[in-house]
Amino acid sequence: QQQVKQSPQSLIVQKGGISIINCAYENTAFDYFPWYQQFPGKGPALLIAIRPDVSEKKEGRFTISFNKSAKQFSLHIMDSQPGDSATYFCAAGAGSYQLTFGKGTKLSVIP
Amino acid sequence: NAGVTQTPKFQVLKTGQSMTLQCAQDMNHEYMSWYRQDPGMGLRLIHYSVGAGITDQGEVPNGYNVSRSTTEDFPLRLLSAAPSQTSVYFCASSYSWGGAMETQYFGPGTRLLVL
Repeated sequence: QQQVKQSPQSLIVQKGGISIINCAYENTAFDYFPWYQQFPGKGPALLIAIRPDVSEKKEGRFTISFNKSAKQFSLHIMDSQPGDSATYFCAAGAGSYQLTFGKGTKLSVIP
Repeated sequence: NAGVTQTPKFQVLKTGQSMTLQCAQDMNHEYMSWYRQDPGMGLRLIHYSVGAGITDQGEVPNGYNVSRSTTEDFPLRLLSAAPSQTSVYFCASSYSWGGAMETQYFGPGTRLLVL
C-alpha cells in the first residue's frame, strides 16, 4: 500500500519561531509532493508543491525541502504567525490522477 | 466564480438510507474527485473523474457510486448508508492536463452523520 507518513501529529510554536513538519514516503515512483493547508470548517487549499528535480522550493515564508535519497520532504514555516494556525497535510502522487495524503499536523502558533 | 460548491453542508441519515452528495464547479475543470476526511486519517480518495462520462475508483470506493454526465457536476451517491460512512466529504477539481498533480480546488465539505 502506498503510504505517506507525516509527523508530528501536533505542533505548538511560539510566534516568530520556525515550524517544521516532516513526511516520508515509500513509493519511488512518486513525482509530485504538495502541501495543503486547512483551516477549521474549510476545505484544504494548496500551499506549495515540489517535484523531485529540485531539492528546495520557497514561497514567501514557506519552504519545502526535498531529499530524494532519503525519501523525505518537509515543510518549513519561517516567522510563524498565529494566522498560520491550521492543519497541514503533505501528499504525494505518481501519474496524474491520485494523491496519497499524510494524516495531517495540527499547528498552533501562540503569541 | 463560485469555485467548487457542495450541498448539503450537513446531513443526518439512518442506517440503510440512501442519499446523494452534490458537487458542482464553474471553472470548466475536467478533473474532479471525492475525498473523505476522518479524524487522524487524513484525506482518502473515493472516486475521481477525468471528464464527462469517465470515472474511476480511488483508495476507498466501497459503498459509493459516482457518475459524471456534465463537466460541471460530479455527484456522490450512498446507496445504503452505514455508520462507517460518517465522515466529512470533500469534492475537488483541477485542470485536466495535470489531474491530481496540479492545484486541486476543494469545496467547503459536507458533514455526514449516519446513525
